[in-house]
Amino acid sequence: AQSVTQLDSQVPVFEEAPVELRCNYSSSVSVYLFWYVQYPNQGLQLLLKYLSGSTLVKGINGFEAEFNKSQTSFHLRKPSVHISDTAEYFCAVILPNTGNQFYFGTGTSLTVIP
Amino acid sequence: DAGVTQSPTHLIKTRGQQVTLRCSPISGHKSVSWYQQVLGQGPQFIFQYYEKEERGRGNFPDRFSARQFPNYSSELNVNALLLGDSALYLCASSWQWSTDTQYFGPGTRLTVL
Repeated sequence: AQSVTQLDSQVPVFEEAPVELRCNYSSSVSVYLFWYVQYPNQGLQLLLKYLSGSTLVKGINGFEAEFNKSQTSFHLRKPSVHISDTAEYFCAVILPNTGNQFYFGTGTSLTVIP
Repeated sequence: DAGVTQSPTHLIKTRGQQVTLRCSPISGHKSVSWYQQVLGQGPQFIFQYYEKEERGRGNFPDRFSARQFPNYSSELNVNALLLGDSALYLCASSWQWSTDTQYFGPGTRLTVL
């Protein structure tokens, strides 16, 4: 079975500071990895995804993530955050070619402090 | 192009009632998936429908059912509502049965009193 762990439920950070949101996954087979963002009272928006190839993935809004197979991690980073980055962030995995059943973590609430 | 749309936006029901939630996928998308997001948790997979057939089911009781119509829109039905069914219900659509890209709708907020 697949599972996703987001170690930090809440992350406060000052504006223009760097941030890292941590994600670890558990799976006996290869997976695709995703980061989604959810703004208040909205659905999920894809930030970035890792399917294969380069382990450093760049996404929208200046976010990037690095896939580390040995540590089964897919941490999300941004070098300088803005107030508008305040939102809930979800890490997710799916098994390739087995349908669209996403497994989500419990989320990390990022609060950017002015 | 219109994204995934869901209706209604908000819904209030009482315990024991039944509810129907609706989802219209992006034009051309043949797969619709449903997720339940309880406050403070990540979304949990409920169903996937592709070409009007159920292609995946999560760990939810039989009170939850769904269907997909010839135009690929979908309905999620929940019978005998419990307080614990209060959640944001998300619909996601994609071109194919198995893909790395899903588009999520804004969700329907269900409150059970």
